[in-house]
Order: sequence, then C-alpha cells, then structure tokens
Amino acid sequence: EVQLVESGGGLVQPGGSLRLSCAASGFSFSGYWMSWVRQAPGKGLEWVAIIKQDGSEKYYVDSVRGRFTISRDNAKNSLYLQMNSLRAEDTAVYYCARDNVDSRDYWGQGTLVTVSS
Amino acid sequence: QSALTQPASVSGSPGQSITISCTGTSSDVGGYNSVSWYQQHPGKAPKFMIYEVSNRPSGVSNRFSGSKSGNTASLTISGLQAEDEADYYCCSYATGTTPWVFGTGTKVTVL
Repeated sequence: EVQLVESGGGLVQPGGSLRLSCAASGFSFSGYWMSWVRQAPGKGLEWVAIIKQDGSEKYYVDSVRGRFTISRDNAKNSLYLQMNSLRAEDTAVYYCARDNVDSRDYWGQGTLVTVSS
Repeated sequence: QSALTQPASVSGSPGQSITISCTGTSSDVGGYNSVSWYQQHPGKAPKFMIYEVSNRPSGVSNRFSGSKSGNTASLTISGLQAEDEADYYCCSYATGTTPWVFGTGTKVTVL
C-alpha cells in the first residue's frame, strides 16, 4: 500500500524557516517524480514544487522560487521542502504527492504551516 | 501563470448528471493532454480521479468521465450520489516558469 506521511509543520514567525519532510513507503520511491502542493485555509490547491527521480531537475511556482528548496533522499525514501523567508501568505496545509502519468496519484494527509507573529 | 478557471459551484439532484468546466489557454489545457482531476472532501486530502484528460485510475467509479475541447477540459459526474458532494479541482501541465497549474476549484452540491 502506498503511503506518504508529512511532518515538520508548525507555527513560525514571518521571515523564519521550516523544513517539511515526507516519508514514503509501499512503492519504489526512487522511480517517481515527487511534488509538494499546498492549500491555504479555505482556499484552493496550489502546486508548489516538483523534483525528478534522481534530484537532477527541480521546478517551482513563481511565488516560492528562491525561498523554497525541494530535495529528496532516495536511500531514506524521503522528500523534503526547505522553506526560508516565510511570509504570512505561505500559511497553508502542505501535501506531498507522487507524480505518475502526468498527475499526482497518491497524496499524504498534509501538514499545517502557520506563519504568524 | 494564472490558475485555470472553474465555476465556483455546481449542483444537481441525485441521479442527475453534472459537468464541471476547466478553462485555460493554449499554453496549458489546450496545448497538452496532461489534464487531471481531483476530488476533495472537507478536511481530507485530495483524491486522484482522472488523468490524461479522460482516463480513470483503477478503483474510480465509471460515473466519472473526462473530456477536452480546445482550451476547456470537463469532468462529468453521471448518476449523481450524495457521496459525490465535494470540491473538485482540475490540473494541467503548462509552458512557462511554472509547469503545473491547478484550477480554482468547484464545490459540487447534491440537492
């Protein structure tokens, strides 16, 4: 059974940093692109970042480029999102998702990031 | 890259069919067959429903179907059931600096 479990969310002050983790199991993690998608409270889904199987390609939404870094450790079956210079508008539930057939076919349960003073 | 445009809400009675539109441009929906759809119940993670415009993953009811014409993709739910009441989002590959873009989301209400 495919499982994705996010962790690392919490309350952080504006300008601060946070690192999210996503533990994957039940599939060959190194064989898939992986994404982060976020959802602000009461709002819609927003794609955030994606990373290739070997980490050699990474892409970001314009609003986080230069502040967020996506990475992975295939030996640990883990995906990460390093978030720096956080802003109030980054407040959201962050989901990790597996990419397959040009879609996000499995999703984690999400972790809440709140940016507030 | 702007979000794809979906109607804010669509409603129907049990047993009826409804269609949700997802309008983009030739740089996203119209240019690629990489449109997917997701269902999200309140407080839950999104669920994968349709990929590559019209393909259903295993386990998804055949009451859900997808299509595309020009710059607009559509999700049709036939034989509407109470459990279909949820938010629905489309997503498409896009050229430019942001390779994936979601729709604005549609709330489906079963009357």
